[in-house]
Amino acid sequence: QVTLKESGPALVKPTQTLTLTCTFSGFSLSTSGMRVSWIRQPPGKALEWLARIDWDDDKFYSTSLKTRLTISKDTSKNQVVLTMTNMDPVDTATYYCARSTSTIFGVVNLDYWGQGTLVTVSS
Amino acid sequence: QSALTQPASVSGSPGQSITISCTGTSSDVGGYNYVSWYQQHPGKAPKLMIYDVSKRPSGVSNRFSGSKSGNTASLTISGLQAEDEADYYCSSYTSSSTYVFGTGTKVTVL
Repeated sequence: QVTLKESGPALVKPTQTLTLTCTFSGFSLSTSGMRVSWIRQPPGKALEWLARIDWDDDKFYSTSLKTRLTISKDTSKNQVVLTMTNMDPVDTATYYCARSTSTIFGVVNLDYWGQGTLVTVSS
Repeated sequence: QSALTQPASVSGSPGQSITISCTGTSSDVGGYNYVSWYQQHPGKAPKLMIYDVSKRPSGVSNRFSGSKSGNTASLTISGLQAEDEADYYCSSYTSSSTYVFGTGTKVTVL
C-alpha cells in the first residue's frame, strides 16, 4: 500500500525559508522509474507543479520558482525534502507531495498523493 | 510556463456526457503524449483519472476517457453521476522538462 504524508510548519513569516518533508511508504525511491513531485494549491485556486526528484537523483524545478526551490531525498528514510526560500504571503497554499512511475509503457504521473499540508505565510 | 486553459465550469444532467477541454501549446500538450487528468473533491487531494492522454489507472471507472488533438486534450465523462461533481485539472509535460497544470474546471451535476 502506497502512502505519502507531508509535514512542516503551518505558519511561516515573510522572508523565512520553508522546509517541508514528504515521508512515504509502499515504494522505494531507489527503484528505477520512481519519482516524487511537490505541488501546491493556494486557497480556492488551481494546482501548481513545483519540483520533482527521480530515483537516479535527477531534479527538475518550476521555471518561475527555480531560484527559490531545492529538492532532495533521503532514500534510507523514505523521505523527500523541499525547501523554498524568501517566503511571501502569496506562497500561502496547501502543499502536496505525490508519486509518479516511469516505465517503458509510459509515465503514470502523480498516481498517489499525500493529504496535503496548509502553509500560511504571515507576520 | 503559462497554465493550460480549461473552461471554468461545465454542467450536465445525470446520465449525460460532458467533455472538458484543455488547451496548451506545441511545447506542452501538442508536443508530448504525457497529458494527465485529476479529479478533486472539496477539501481532498487530487485523484489521478487519466494518464498518457487516454490510459485509465486501475480502479477508475471506464466512464472516464481521454483524447488529444493537436494542442488540445479532452476529458469525457459519460453517464454522468452525482459523485462526478468535482473540480478537474489537466496536466502536461513540457519542453522544459517540467509539468504544467490547467486552470481547472468545476463540474456540476444538475
